Amino acid sequence: EDQVTQSPEALRLQEGESSSLNCSYTVSGLRGLFWYRQDPGKGPEFLFTLYSAGEEKEKERLKATLTKKESFLHITAPKPEDSATYLCAVQGSREAAGNKLTFGGGTRVLVKP
Amino acid sequence: DAGVTQSPTHLIKTRGQHVTLRCSPISGHKSVSWYQQVLGQGPQFIFQYYEKEERGRGNFPDRFSARQFPNYSSELNVNALLLGDSALYLCASREEETQYFGPGTRLLVL
Repeated sequence: EDQVTQSPEALRLQEGESSSLNCSYTVSGLRGLFWYRQDPGKGPEFLFTLYSAGEEKEKERLKATLTKKESFLHITAPKPEDSATYLCAVQGSREAAGNKLTFGGGTRVLVKP
Repeated sequence: DAGVTQSPTHLIKTRGQHVTLRCSPISGHKSVSWYQQVLGQGPQFIFQYYEKEERGRGNFPDRFSARQFPNYSSELNVNALLLGDSALYLCASREEETQYFGPGTRLLVL
């Protein structure tokens, strides 16, 4: 069964203080690893899809990287508006998991001015 | 373009009642999935539909059911509600490998 573990559970940063979020996963036949941002009471907002080890994607202050066992979301010089819960999810082989996403518990990020 | 839409936004029910939640996918998307998100946890997969057929089911009891209509919209039905069914119910539509989520329906069971 696919499993995703995110760490830390919560992260408090000062504005401008860069940091990284970790997503460790086990999956049979990775078809994709996904990062989402979720604000309180709202649906997850898509950020990145990574397909293979070594791949990197960037968007504004966020950069996602992927290895065979984990993914990192780097936040560079964060601003208060980057405060949110960041969710990591994997999609395994179609035979084993169909198209379902398996999510981690998320990392709650608070950026203080 | 409109994103995934869900209705209602909030709902309060009592134990034993049933509920119907609705979802309209992004225009052109034919696949819809449903997830349950309990406060403080990541979303958990309930169902996936593609071209009106069920293509996947998560570890949820038979009280949960769903269907997809010819226009690709979908309904999630939950019977005999329990307190533990209180959660944010999310609908997602899929383009290639990426799923895009709606705003969710917040269900409170009293």
